Amino acid sequence: EVQLVQSGTEVAKPGDSLKISCQGFDYKFSNYWVAWVRQTPGKGLEWMGIIYPRDSDNRYSPSFRGQVTFSADTSINTAYLQLTNVKASDSGIYYCARRYGAGAFDIWGQGTLVTVTS
Amino acid sequence: IQLTQSPLSLSASVGDRVTITCRASQDIGDSLNWYQQRPGRAPKFLIHAVSTLQGGVPPRFSGSGSGTDFTLTITSLQPEDSATYYCQEYDNLPPRVTFGPGTKVEIK
Repeated sequence: EVQLVQSGTEVAKPGDSLKISCQGFDYKFSNYWVAWVRQTPGKGLEWMGIIYPRDSDNRYSPSFRGQVTFSADTSINTAYLQLTNVKASDSGIYYCARRYGAGAFDIWGQGTLVTVTS
Repeated sequence: IQLTQSPLSLSASVGDRVTITCRASQDIGDSLNWYQQRPGRAPKFLIHAVSTLQGGVPPRFSGSGSGTDFTLTITSLQPEDSATYYCQEYDNLPPRVTFGPGTKVEIK
């Protein structure tokens, strides 16, 4: 079954760094762009950017550039989202999603809940 | 580009016809997709490029529109359709993706 499986819940303190993983199964992982999307009660679904695992070409949303880093390891079919110097406002559910066609997202990870609290 | 959806919530009975509207702040052609999100779950891809149903999506779902005004219609609402529905637009030069605020559909 084609799927993306994400790492588990994260609880962090302000100023911490954390890294979320997203592993792809049953498709050619390196050939599809992987997007990162944050969901919060206040702002809804926000597109953070996208990475092409084959060559790690990254495109960041202006809203998140400089605050997050995407990376990928094609040997284990995994993409990563790194958050640094987190704040309470970074709390939310983070999703990875496979890009379909020019700009849709057909396969989603189950989501990773991030809570930033002192 | 901003996307607005209306209504933001609705309550309807099983068998009802439900229409959700998505409006873009400028012309986006046919670069419009729809997703369904049930509570506690990830979004599910429903419709691509305004009106193309993804595999496995029941035919009671349909999409239409172009330019700035789009609609998602559920012709005969079923209990499992209770969810929040999001529209989403995109461009690639430069890369940009925007989601609408969502429309919560409840069953009476």
